[in-house]
Amino acid sequence: DTAVSQTPKYLVTQMGNDKSIKCEQNLGHDTMYWYKQDSKKFLKIMFSYNNKELIINETVPNRFSPKSPDKAHLNLHINSLELGDSAVYFCASSTRGGGEKLFFGSGTQLSVL
Amino acid sequence: GEDVEQSLFLSVREGDSSVINCTYTDSSSTYLYWYKQEPGAGLQLLTYIFSNMDMKQDQRLTVLLNKKDKHLSLRIADTQTGDSAIYFCAEAKGDDKIIFGKGTRLHILP
Repeated sequence: DTAVSQTPKYLVTQMGNDKSIKCEQNLGHDTMYWYKQDSKKFLKIMFSYNNKELIINETVPNRFSPKSPDKAHLNLHINSLELGDSAVYFCASSTRGGGEKLFFGSGTQLSVL
Repeated sequence: GEDVEQSLFLSVREGDSSVINCTYTDSSSTYLYWYKQEPGAGLQLLTYIFSNMDMKQDQRLTVLLNKKDKHLSLRIADTQTGDSAIYFCAEAKGDDKIIFGKGTRLHILP
Protein backbone atom coordinates (compact mmCIF):
# COMPACT_ATOMS: atom_id res chain seq x y z
CA ASP A 1 0.00 0.00 0.00
CA THR A 2 1.29 3.43 -0.94
CA ALA A 3 2.15 5.47 2.15
CA VAL A 4 1.84 8.95 0.62
CA SER A 5 -0.25 9.09 -2.51
CA GLN A 6 -0.95 12.12 -4.63
CA THR A 7 -3.13 12.57 -7.68
CA PRO A 8 -2.92 13.25 -10.51
CA LYS A 9 0.57 12.16 -11.52
CA TYR A 10 0.52 14.45 -14.56
CA LEU A 11 -1.45 17.63 -15.06
CA VAL A 12 -1.36 19.61 -18.30
CA THR A 13 -3.43 22.76 -18.44
CA GLN A 14 -3.76 26.20 -19.98
CA MET A 15 -2.65 29.46 -18.40
CA GLY A 16 -5.38 31.06 -16.33
CA ASN A 17 -7.06 27.81 -15.34
CA ASP A 18 -7.67 26.65 -11.76
CA LYS A 19 -6.50 23.18 -10.74
CA SER A 20 -6.17 21.00 -7.64
CA ILE A 21 -3.75 18.33 -6.54
CA LYS A 22 -4.81 15.86 -3.87
CA CYS A 23 -2.63 14.15 -1.29
CA GLU A 24 -3.37 11.43 1.24
CA GLN A 25 -1.13 9.65 3.72
CA ASN A 26 -1.92 6.43 5.57
CA LEU A 27 1.05 6.57 7.94
CA GLY A 28 -0.79 8.22 10.81
CA HIS A 29 1.54 11.22 10.65
CA ASP A 30 0.56 14.55 12.15
CA THR A 31 2.38 16.82 9.71
CA MET A 32 2.03 17.17 5.96
CA TYR A 33 3.89 19.36 3.47
CA TRP A 34 3.89 20.62 -0.06
CA TYR A 35 7.23 21.05 -1.82
CA LYS A 36 7.89 22.46 -5.30
CA GLN A 37 10.71 21.06 -7.44
CA ASP A 38 11.70 23.17 -10.44
CA SER A 39 13.23 22.05 -13.73
CA LYS A 40 16.73 22.17 -12.21
CA LYS A 41 15.53 19.78 -9.48
CA PHE A 42 15.78 22.45 -6.76
CA LEU A 43 13.33 21.64 -3.97
CA LYS A 44 11.60 24.34 -1.93
CA ILE A 45 9.08 24.02 0.85
CA MET A 46 5.77 25.75 0.21
CA PHE A 47 3.47 24.83 3.10
CA SER A 48 3.34 22.69 6.19
CA TYR A 49 0.26 21.64 8.15
CA ASN A 50 0.18 20.01 11.56
CA ASN A 51 -3.11 18.42 12.55
CA LYS A 52 -5.02 20.50 10.02
CA GLU A 53 -3.35 23.73 11.15
CA LEU A 54 -1.07 25.77 8.88
CA ILE A 55 2.37 26.09 10.46
CA ILE A 56 4.63 27.06 7.56
CA ASN A 57 3.77 29.30 4.63
CA GLU A 58 6.86 30.16 2.65
CA THR A 59 5.91 33.38 0.84
CA VAL A 60 3.98 31.47 -1.76
CA PRO A 61 1.63 33.58 -3.95
CA ASN A 62 -1.89 33.57 -2.59
CA ARG A 63 -3.04 31.92 -5.80
CA PHE A 64 -1.89 28.75 -4.01
CA SER A 65 -4.27 27.64 -1.29
CA PRO A 66 -3.67 24.48 0.71
CA LYS A 67 -6.60 22.79 2.37
CA SER A 68 -6.43 20.09 5.03
CA PRO A 69 -9.85 18.52 5.72
CA ASP A 70 -8.24 16.10 8.20
CA LYS A 71 -4.73 15.20 9.23
CA ALA A 72 -4.47 12.47 6.60
CA HIS A 73 -5.18 14.80 3.68
CA LEU A 74 -3.56 17.94 2.35
CA ASN A 75 -4.78 19.24 -0.98
CA LEU A 76 -3.32 22.07 -3.02
CA HIS A 77 -5.53 24.35 -5.08
CA ILE A 78 -3.95 26.73 -7.58
CA ASN A 79 -5.89 29.61 -9.11
CA SER A 80 -5.07 31.46 -12.33
CA LEU A 81 -2.20 29.22 -13.32
CA GLU A 82 0.90 30.88 -14.77
CA LEU A 83 3.70 29.50 -16.93
CA GLY A 84 6.10 29.76 -13.98
CA ASP A 85 3.95 27.37 -11.97
CA SER A 86 5.17 24.51 -14.18
CA ALA A 87 7.10 22.18 -11.87
CA VAL A 88 6.82 18.91 -9.99
CA TYR A 89 4.86 19.26 -6.77
CA PHE A 90 5.60 16.81 -3.99
CA CYS A 91 3.45 16.05 -1.01
CA ALA A 92 5.19 14.68 2.08
CA SER A 93 4.33 13.71 5.63
CA SER A 94 6.28 13.25 8.84
CA THR A 95 5.91 12.66 12.53
CA ARG A 96 6.57 15.79 14.54
CA GLY A 97 8.95 16.32 17.37
CA GLY A 98 12.62 15.78 16.73
CA GLY A 99 14.13 13.87 13.86
CA GLU A 100 11.35 14.50 11.40
CA LYS A 101 11.72 11.98 8.62
CA LEU A 102 9.86 12.99 5.52
CA PHE A 103 7.98 10.44 3.45
CA PHE A 104 7.34 11.76 -0.05
CA GLY A 105 4.67 11.05 -2.60
CA SER A 106 5.77 10.31 -6.15
CA GLY A 107 5.02 13.83 -7.35
CA THR A 108 2.61 15.62 -9.67
CA GLN A 109 4.18 17.02 -12.80
CA LEU A 110 2.30 20.22 -13.65
CA SER A 111 2.75 21.70 -17.12
CA VAL A 112 1.14 25.06 -17.81
CA LEU A 113 0.86 25.88 -21.51
CA GLY B 1 21.17 32.71 4.68
CA GLU B 2 19.18 29.53 4.58
CA ASP B 3 21.18 27.74 1.91
CA VAL B 4 22.37 24.19 2.17
CA GLU B 5 25.20 23.90 -0.33
CA GLN B 6 26.34 20.86 -2.28
CA SER B 7 28.07 20.35 -5.59
CA LEU B 8 25.70 19.62 -8.45
CA PHE B 9 27.50 16.76 -10.20
CA LEU B 10 29.70 13.78 -9.35
CA SER B 11 30.96 11.02 -11.65
CA VAL B 12 32.36 7.83 -10.18
CA ARG B 13 33.50 4.52 -11.67
CA GLU B 14 31.47 1.46 -10.79
CA GLY B 15 33.06 -0.27 -7.79
CA ASP B 16 34.75 2.88 -6.48
CA SER B 17 33.58 4.89 -3.47
CA SER B 18 31.44 7.98 -3.96
CA VAL B 19 31.75 10.89 -1.56
CA ILE B 20 29.10 13.58 -1.66
CA ASN B 21 29.73 16.70 0.39
CA CYS B 22 27.39 19.28 1.86
CA THR B 23 27.66 22.39 4.00
CA TYR B 24 24.76 23.66 6.03
CA THR B 25 24.09 26.93 7.77
CA ASP B 26 22.30 26.48 11.06
CA SER B 27 24.54 25.37 13.92
CA SER B 28 21.43 24.61 15.98
CA SER B 29 20.15 22.07 13.44
CA THR B 30 19.39 18.90 15.35
CA TYR B 31 19.19 16.41 12.52
CA LEU B 32 20.86 16.21 9.14
CA TYR B 33 19.66 13.96 6.37
CA TRP B 34 20.53 12.39 3.08
CA TYR B 35 17.70 11.74 0.64
CA LYS B 36 17.89 9.91 -2.69
CA GLN B 37 15.75 10.71 -5.72
CA GLU B 38 15.60 8.31 -8.66
CA PRO B 39 14.19 9.50 -12.02
CA GLY B 40 10.44 10.08 -11.96
CA ALA B 41 10.15 9.33 -8.26
CA GLY B 42 9.83 11.18 -4.99
CA LEU B 43 12.65 11.55 -2.49
CA GLN B 44 13.46 8.64 -0.22
CA LEU B 45 15.22 9.00 3.10
CA LEU B 46 18.56 7.20 2.87
CA THR B 47 20.02 7.96 6.25
CA TYR B 48 20.20 10.67 8.89
CA ILE B 49 22.46 11.70 11.74
CA PHE B 50 21.78 13.44 15.01
CA SER B 51 23.90 16.52 15.57
CA ASN B 52 25.71 15.09 18.61
CA MET B 53 27.17 12.26 16.50
CA ASP B 54 30.31 12.40 14.36
CA MET B 55 29.71 9.35 12.24
CA LYS B 56 27.03 6.87 11.32
CA GLN B 57 27.47 3.73 9.27
CA ASP B 58 24.72 1.75 7.61
CA GLN B 59 25.90 -1.05 5.30
CA ARG B 60 27.54 0.68 2.29
CA LEU B 61 26.69 4.14 3.57
CA THR B 62 28.86 6.21 5.91
CA VAL B 63 27.81 9.65 7.10
CA LEU B 64 30.41 11.99 8.58
CA LEU B 65 29.46 15.15 10.43
CA ASN B 66 31.86 17.98 11.27
CA LYS B 67 29.72 20.25 13.40
CA LYS B 68 32.43 22.88 13.83
CA ASP B 69 32.68 23.40 10.06
CA LYS B 70 28.98 22.60 9.46
CA HIS B 71 30.05 19.97 6.97
CA LEU B 72 28.25 16.74 6.20
CA SER B 73 29.36 14.00 3.85
CA LEU B 74 27.90 10.78 2.48
CA ARG B 75 30.21 8.00 1.40
CA ILE B 76 28.83 5.16 -0.71
CA ALA B 77 31.19 2.20 -0.79
CA ASP B 78 31.42 -0.07 -3.87
CA THR B 79 29.21 2.19 -5.98
CA GLN B 80 26.76 0.32 -8.20
CA THR B 81 24.77 1.39 -11.26
CA GLY B 82 21.64 1.38 -9.08
CA ASP B 83 23.19 4.17 -7.02
CA SER B 84 22.79 6.56 -9.95
CA ALA B 85 20.38 9.22 -8.66
CA ILE B 86 20.21 12.72 -7.20
CA TYR B 87 21.30 12.92 -3.57
CA PHE B 88 19.91 15.71 -1.42
CA CYS B 89 21.43 16.91 1.81
CA ALA B 90 18.91 18.44 4.24
CA GLU B 91 18.90 20.03 7.67
CA ALA B 92 16.10 20.22 10.24
CA LYS B 93 15.96 23.80 11.42
CA GLY B 94 14.52 24.80 14.77
CA ASP B 95 11.27 26.10 13.30
CA ASP B 96 10.09 22.70 12.01
CA LYS B 97 11.38 23.38 8.52
CA ILE B 98 13.50 20.87 6.66
CA ILE B 99 15.67 22.71 4.15
CA PHE B 100 17.14 20.85 1.20
CA GLY B 101 20.30 21.45 -0.79
CA LYS B 102 20.14 21.66 -4.58
CA GLY B 103 21.02 17.98 -4.98
CA THR B 104 24.12 16.19 -6.31
CA ARG B 105 23.63 14.16 -9.47
CA LEU B 106 25.67 10.97 -9.13
CA HIS B 107 26.67 9.46 -12.46
CA ILE B 108 28.21 5.99 -12.56
CA LEU B 109 30.86 5.31 -15.19
CA PRO B 110 31.23 1.72 -16.45
